[in-house]
Amino acid sequence: DVKVTQSSRYLVKRTGEKVFLECVQDMDHENMFWYRQDPGLGLRLIYFSYDVKMKEKGDIPEGYSVSREKKERFSLILESASTNQTSMYLCASGQGSSYNSPLHFGNGTRLTVT
Amino acid sequence: AQSVSQHNHHVILSEAASLELGCNYSYGGTVNLFWYVQYPGQHLQLLLKYFSGDPLVKGIKGFEAEFIKSKFSFNLRKPSVQWSDTAEYFCAVNAVEYGNKLVFGAGTILRVKS
Repeated sequence: DVKVTQSSRYLVKRTGEKVFLECVQDMDHENMFWYRQDPGLGLRLIYFSYDVKMKEKGDIPEGYSVSREKKERFSLILESASTNQTSMYLCASGQGSSYNSPLHFGNGTRLTVT
Repeated sequence: AQSVSQHNHHVILSEAASLELGCNYSYGGTVNLFWYVQYPGQHLQLLLKYFSGDPLVKGIKGFEAEFIKSKFSFNLRKPSVQWSDTAEYFCAVNAVEYGNKLVFGAGTILRVKS
C-alpha cells in the first residue's frame, strides 16, 4: 500500500518565520503535489513536481517555494510565514500522468501562523 | 482555466436515504474525473474514477457516478446511505491540456444521522 508521510501533523509558527513542510512517499512515484485545504474552498494546488529538480507552479504559488532533490521527497517552503497561510497542507503523489492515475494523499499538516 | 463546482456544501441525510451529490466542470475537452472522500480524521482517498468507456462507474462502498458529457457533470450517487458514510466528498477533474493538474471542487460535507 502506498504511503505518503508528512513530517508534522500540527505546526505553530510566528509571522515572518521560515517554515519547511516535508513529505516522503515510498512508491517511487514520479509526480508529487502540494495542496492547501481550506473550508469552503476545497483543495487548491500550490506546486507540483513531475521529476527530481523539476517543479511547476499550481494555482496559488505566491508566498511558497518547493524543493525536490530526491524522487521520494518533496518539500514545501514558506519563506516568510503570514497569517493568511494558516491552513491544512496536503501532500500527494501519483504514478505517471495524473490524468489517468489517482493521487495518494498524506494525512496533512495543520499549520497555524500567529 | 478549469473549474469544478459542487452544488451543496453541507448535506444532512437519515440512514437509508438516497444520496446524490452534484459536480459540474467547466472544461470542454477530454477530461478524467474523480471522486475522493475524506472520513473524519483520515486522509483523502479515491472513491471512484472515470477515464473512458461506460459513463456509469462504480466505486467502493456502493457508490457510483455518472458522467454526462453534454451536461459537463459527474454526479455521485448511493441508493442507501449509512452512518459510516459521514465524510467530506470532493469531485476532481483533470484535462490533458492542463497537464498534470488535478482541480478539486470545494467539497460537500455529508452527515448521516443514525
